[in-house]
Amino acid sequence: GAVVSQHPSRVICKSGTSVKIECRSLDFQATTMFWYRQFPKQSLMLMATSNEGSKATYEQGVEKDKFLINHASLTLSTLTVTSAHPEDSSFYICSAPTRGGNEQFFGPGTRLTVL
Amino acid sequence: QQQVKQSPQSLIVQKGGISIINCAYENTAFDYFPWYQQFPGKGPALLIAIRPDVSEKKEGRFTISFNKSAKQFSLHIMDSQPGDSATYFCAAIQSGGYQKVTFGIGTKLQVIP
Repeated sequence: GAVVSQHPSRVICKSGTSVKIECRSLDFQATTMFWYRQFPKQSLMLMATSNEGSKATYEQGVEKDKFLINHASLTLSTLTVTSAHPEDSSFYICSAPTRGGNEQFFGPGTRLTVL
Repeated sequence: QQQVKQSPQSLIVQKGGISIINCAYENTAFDYFPWYQQFPGKGPALLIAIRPDVSEKKEGRFTISFNKSAKQFSLHIMDSQPGDSATYFCAAIQSGGYQKVTFGIGTKLQVIP
């Protein structure tokens, strides 16, 4: 199957700093990527849809100025958590659909801990 | 509003037994129903998926049963093994557009020896 990578896998930062998470589709092009947040023992909650060449679409309740998304190329989307606070600590996961199919491939996730 | 309802939230099964997880959906526009398996600290991985024009799909020990009229589908894991211990999510996708995945709440499966 298609491969989606994320970097870093784990990050610890101080409150008030910004953190960038990368999501890459390794063997296919993705004009769309999705960003999810998952709190412990909970399901994945869609945060935003990242669109190559245009602005991201955010789900209701997600602050677009706090969670900056840039879809720089057909294989890379980045999520920047700005001025991170302890409540932003979570597991962030990206996914990408293959073109023409319903299959969604998920990245391995990034564990963010804000101290 | 929870568009995909999943139960149970946790399940303990003896090794060799059958694990059954149930899901129900409301939006009839959904036309693709995948199941994902997630191990702790990892992203979800596609396990098996079905379209509503098929009533059953089997891949190895994993079977999806689909009841379109009832808007329900279920995952059966035959001969459950300790290595199957993970969290399972049912999901629904509406083809076309941006293919957003709507997840169920998840079921934590523990297979005991």
